Amino acid sequence: EPEVTQTPSHQVTQMGQEVILRCVPISNHLYFYWYRQILGQKVEFLVSFYNNEISEKSEIFDDQFSVERPDGSNFTLKIRSTKLEDSAMYFCASISYAGTGYTFGSGTRLTVV
Amino acid sequence: GQQVMQIPQYQHVQEGEDFTTYCNSSTTLSNIQWYKQRPGGHPVFLIQLVKSGEVKKQKRLTFQFGEAKKNSSLHITATQTTDVGTYFCAGWRSGGSNYKLTFGKGTLLTVNP
Repeated sequence: EPEVTQTPSHQVTQMGQEVILRCVPISNHLYFYWYRQILGQKVEFLVSFYNNEISEKSEIFDDQFSVERPDGSNFTLKIRSTKLEDSAMYFCASISYAGTGYTFGSGTRLTVV
Repeated sequence: GQQVMQIPQYQHVQEGEDFTTYCNSSTTLSNIQWYKQRPGGHPVFLIQLVKSGEVKKQKRLTFQFGEAKKNSSLHITATQTTDVGTYFCAGWRSGGSNYKLTFGKGTLLTVNP
């Protein structure tokens, strides 16, 4: 079964440093998402991406965050200057067409120290 | 903004007992989806309900979508230890164009063998 692949699985970074989280969505999928989950809490929407542009972003997704799909396969989330409160599990997800279930990647656990 | 509420937050049962989690949206939904997240894992899509009053079954799992398309439930009959995990409902709001899901906080199910 096709998978969404995320790397790295775990990233530890110092406060103020930049991190890039990488995702390879399923090849024929068209809609891409980043969600985050602080330990034991709800899955929170960050941003959606379609047709090579952001279609919606949440209040969490401020100027410190950006997304790119540089080469038609990879989908990246960049946090420019990490804060302690950015520590969370970050999930990438994708769907092929409207109204289908998301396929989530296995996540990147980001720890900011 | 749209809110999706889920109760209970935690449920501990003896193996063989039934389990139900309830989901309520502040707005009418186009569809409701259910996901299961095993401890340390990522959300995995279980099912989608689209029609008002729809009922779907997957083996011991029964999913319902309310008549007003604002609430839903997941019922597990005769729980097994393999049912352990957090069950999330997630809704896509009517009129939304990027198929962004808003997740409930989830119900953590633990099963005592």
